[in-house]
Amino acid sequence: DSGVTQTPKHLITATGQRVTLRCSPRSGDLSVYWYQQSLDQGLQFLIQYYNGEERAKGNILERFSAQQFPDLHSELNLSSLELGDSALYFCASTDGGGDYGYTFGSGTRLTVV
Amino acid sequence: GQNIDQPTEMTATEGAIVQINCTYQTSGFNGLFWYQQHAGEAPTFLSYNVLDGLEEKGRFSSFLSRSKGYSYLLLKELQMKDSASYLCAVRDRNTDKLIFGTGTRLQVFP
Repeated sequence: DSGVTQTPKHLITATGQRVTLRCSPRSGDLSVYWYQQSLDQGLQFLIQYYNGEERAKGNILERFSAQQFPDLHSELNLSSLELGDSALYFCASTDGGGDYGYTFGSGTRLTVV
Repeated sequence: GQNIDQPTEMTATEGAIVQINCTYQTSGFNGLFWYQQHAGEAPTFLSYNVLDGLEEKGRFSSFLSRSKGYSYLLLKELQMKDSASYLCAVRDRNTDKLIFGTGTRLQVFP
């Protein structure tokens, strides 16, 4: 157990639907990062939050949004889902120093059918 | 912006040594990370370099040259369980976000 908890582990949904992915960072970590990994692709940075505030944005689609709550857990909302959104979605957290790595959760595998 | 290049695939034999190279171009560099990722699993941290030189951790070593925008991961005494993808990532100075390369898939054969 890395200390970063992601739920659900698997999600199957239809095109056009909306889903919410949840991430609880490691205890004490203030920064949360969301990444998307499509089949046989690298990790694509989506968005970063630090202590409740958005800090950086990657190539995140307008159909996607995220937030970090006062208890530091984060949610990634994906709407109007398309087949191409099928991917592994990872959350990572760090305490801000990050010299010893960013800890990743086990991911949510999203399948859009 | 950032650009990170790694070979797509490599093969090696059990017990051998393999070097995985990574070149990068970035507007704001604040460290380079190597991660290991088995298929369908989370990436796990292997090493971190922020200054030039070699960092050694058991069977794994990582090297950085900031002036050349170059790093490598050296894996010694390869084991079958080392078959995985190896991801090179650069940390952005301003936001601390990690930008990943596409990864190198390493297959270790008996």
